[in-house]
Amino acid sequence: KAGVTQTPRYLIKTRGQQVTLSCSPISGHRSVSWYQQTPGQGLQFLFEYFSETQRNKGNFPGRFSGRQFSNSRSEMNVSTLELGDSALYLCASSLGLGDFSYEQYFGPGTRLTVT
Amino acid sequence: AQRVTQPEKLLSVFKGAPVELKCNYSYSGSPELFWYVQYSRQRLQLLLRHISRESIKGFTADLNKGETSFHLKKPFAQEEDSAMYYCALSGRLSNFGNEKLTFGTGTRLTIIP
Repeated sequence: KAGVTQTPRYLIKTRGQQVTLSCSPISGHRSVSWYQQTPGQGLQFLFEYFSETQRNKGNFPGRFSGRQFSNSRSEMNVSTLELGDSALYLCASSLGLGDFSYEQYFGPGTRLTVT
Repeated sequence: AQRVTQPEKLLSVFKGAPVELKCNYSYSGSPELFWYVQYSRQRLQLLLRHISRESIKGFTADLNKGETSFHLKKPFAQEEDSAMYYCALSGRLSNFGNEKLTFGTGTRLTIIP
């Protein structure tokens, strides 16, 4: 079974630009979560989508948004990029069945650098 | 609010010695606790979760609700245990499945040969 894939793997943007990151979950997984990983803050939850609906949201500004498609693939978008947005963005998928089925399968991440 | 604290950023242990990675949490409801591990150049992956009550790669973790802790232990460290370890918490909601996963800041474990 193929793992979680993320594209692109590396990205360099300048301040003020916007960026879209993509995540393809494991086949059959309907829940996709996004995390931001930085040396200072560690892993921070951005949001989770299940069956095309945002189910959970972390404490990030509205510049961070996401969506999920009917095939469970997900995208996250960051508008008006700031230097502090430089991070590794991780996507994780799970079966999303709720009870005791919250194992997250992580992708390799997209390394975003904002200059 | 959910909070996970891993007090040790770095931990070095000699091969064959016991290992204990500390994790404390704060959550008012019923928590589910996990340990995730990231080996060098590999993806973050689940190591174990408290509801399974199983030993994975010789590691065990017991949820202590009185002390709000979920420490990860292994009696005899091996070199391949060197990795970054994250403790994580997910709150159980009665009607809507689990809340978001909150991670600690991680502990980098180095096993000295």
